[in-house]
Amino acid sequence: SQQGEEDPQALSIQEGENATMNCSYKTSINNLQWYRQNSGRGLVHLILIRSNEREKHSGRLRVTLDTSKKSSSLLITASRAADTASYFCATDFYNTDKLIFGTGTRLQVFP
Amino acid sequence: EPEVTQTPSHQVTQMGQEVILRCVPISNHLYFYWYRQILGQKVEFLVSFYNNEISEKSEIFDDQFSVERPDGSNFTLKIRSTKLEDSAMYFCASSGTKQPQHFGDGTRLSIL
Repeated sequence: SQQGEEDPQALSIQEGENATMNCSYKTSINNLQWYRQNSGRGLVHLILIRSNEREKHSGRLRVTLDTSKKSSSLLITASRAADTASYFCATDFYNTDKLIFGTGTRLQVFP
Repeated sequence: EPEVTQTPSHQVTQMGQEVILRCVPISNHLYFYWYRQILGQKVEFLVSFYNNEISEKSEIFDDQFSVERPDGSNFTLKIRSTKLEDSAMYFCASSGTKQPQHFGDGTRLSIL
């Protein structure tokens, strides 16, 4: 199936540390996106990386994509307590624009 | 920054009743979507809508579900006869060029 799986499931760090989350998927993709979800809230789009890109930056976020390994990572540098949330990867494919979401990583940043 | 707006934020309905969830997509967007997230589970695709018709739907989106864009600004999801298992967070999303999709804050639907 076209599933996204993320690890770790949960991550706890101190403010100022870096957080790395990984996402793996099973079939060839068109794009991979990362979303943040604060508890009980909606999904906030963070960054999109296309299948022909290998790395992308946005502020404190760095995303890499390895299509040979069918995996992506999201790095949040110099984390803040406000980064506490669940982070999801979502993939889309060439013949459809629906998003397939991963299982998510719950990030807790302690002040 | 423009955003997707969903109402109500929480809807409580008796099983078997009809419910309509409402969404106002970002104004110049052309593609519209509904997703749902059952508590503790993944976000799941329900349906995509473009040019006034459904472009794709999932297995979840059976005959009990329908979508409509009744005017130039609203996009609705109707569940005709709700079941207990329809309890979930329902998210509306819109996009200008398919990706990225921008999501609303969701409607929490509780079926009693």
